[in-house]
Amino acid sequence: SQQGEEDPQALSIQEGENATMNCSYKTSINNLQWYRQNSGRGLVHLILIRSNEREKHSGRLRVTLDTSKKSSSLLITASRAADTASYFCATVADRGSTLGRLYFGRGTQLTVWP
Amino acid sequence: DAGITQSPRYKITETGRQVTLMCHQTWSHSYMFWYRQDLGHGLRLIYYSAAADITDKGEVPDGYVVSRSKTENFPLTLESATRSQTSVYFCASSVSAAHTDTQYFGPGTRLTVL
Repeated sequence: SQQGEEDPQALSIQEGENATMNCSYKTSINNLQWYRQNSGRGLVHLILIRSNEREKHSGRLRVTLDTSKKSSSLLITASRAADTASYFCATVADRGSTLGRLYFGRGTQLTVWP
Repeated sequence: DAGITQSPRYKITETGRQVTLMCHQTWSHSYMFWYRQDLGHGLRLIYYSAAADITDKGEVPDGYVVSRSKTENFPLTLESATRSQTSVYFCASSVSAAHTDTQYFGPGTRLTVL
């Protein structure tokens, strides 16, 4: 399976703390994307990192990618209660796929307490 | 700016009935997708469409039928609903099939099959 796997499954922190979520995958990728899902809502794209990139920033988000270990991490700095959501990594294969299909992991449920 | 909408948002049906879930996007995106989200499985691709009248199977297509007569609509039909099809269904769209394309998700339809 090309599906990514997030770790931990659940994370509970206080406002102001940093939250780190990890994603591991099995096959070669073209890129890896992170999405957020608020309760009862659809997924929202957060950030994309290409296979030739090692780190990327977007506001309070920092994503790293280690293709040798087939893993990625998402860091949310100075967490807020509004960051409470499920976070999914999704991989796009670099071969064998004629379409930019996303393969999603099962997600990390982040809870940020005020 | 409606974006991508799904209807109904909630549906309860009985085993053996035919059910159609609707998806409509206002961006004229070429690609549209149907996913189901189940606990323990993350999101799995059911069907996708590259353009009007072009559709293809994803990971879990059995028991589902799709059509795309117009670019903006991508209905998903459960021909004879089964309890195992109880799930949350998400429609998504993207501009093209480029690997770097973001997918935009609808709010989801929660389907219960009794």
